[in-house]
Amino acid sequence: GENVEQHPSTLSVQEGDSAVIKCTYSDSASNYFPWYKQELGKRPQLIIDIRSNVGEKKDQRIAVTLNKTAKHFSLHITETQPEDSAVYFCARGGYNKLIFGAGTRLAVHP
Amino acid sequence: GAVVSQHPSWVICKSGTSVKIECRSLDFQATTMFWYRQFPKQSLMLMATSNEGSKATYEQGVEKDKFLINHASLTLSTLTVTSAHPEDSSFYICSASGVGAPYEQYFGPGTRLTVT
Repeated sequence: GENVEQHPSTLSVQEGDSAVIKCTYSDSASNYFPWYKQELGKRPQLIIDIRSNVGEKKDQRIAVTLNKTAKHFSLHITETQPEDSAVYFCARGGYNKLIFGAGTRLAVHP
Repeated sequence: GAVVSQHPSWVICKSGTSVKIECRSLDFQATTMFWYRQFPKQSLMLMATSNEGSKATYEQGVEKDKFLINHASLTLSTLTVTSAHPEDSSFYICSASGVGAPYEQYFGPGTRLTVT
């Protein structure tokens, strides 16, 4: 179907630890997988994205991996900082639209 | 670059009235604009997709006669919530695409609608 399953719904880590959020999808036509960070009352901000012809992409402390065969992709944040606290959404792109996961509320404790 | 604005940022209206929200791409031509609704502590739900000069495509379950979308130019799309009711109170966010890689969307800051 269209949905994107995202886990966990909440994640609490200590500053400096790593955080991993996973998403799964079923539509094999999906070929674009962005991750957004949203702070309360603000617009979603694209933090990293990956396309279906790539298995992994990294940008400083943030990385995304994609397993197209298994239809899942993950966000990895290393050396977490309190300012990483926010809601993170995965999405899948296809047919010229994005379908979002339910979101993960990440809390990084000092 | 790729800046999207929305107006107003927040609005309070009475039940039964209509409200118009504007979404503008400030520095690029947006061939496609998207409208999302986000209830508190929930995800972004796509309401409709609009291409300049043509009718919007609504997602299943979204009433096209209640949520009127107009995309008359390559830089402006409007969403009109007609006969608003308290259950329409939500955060409405638009996004636009037309520059950058395929599927990249640039989000507006959102409009918080409260219907009393």
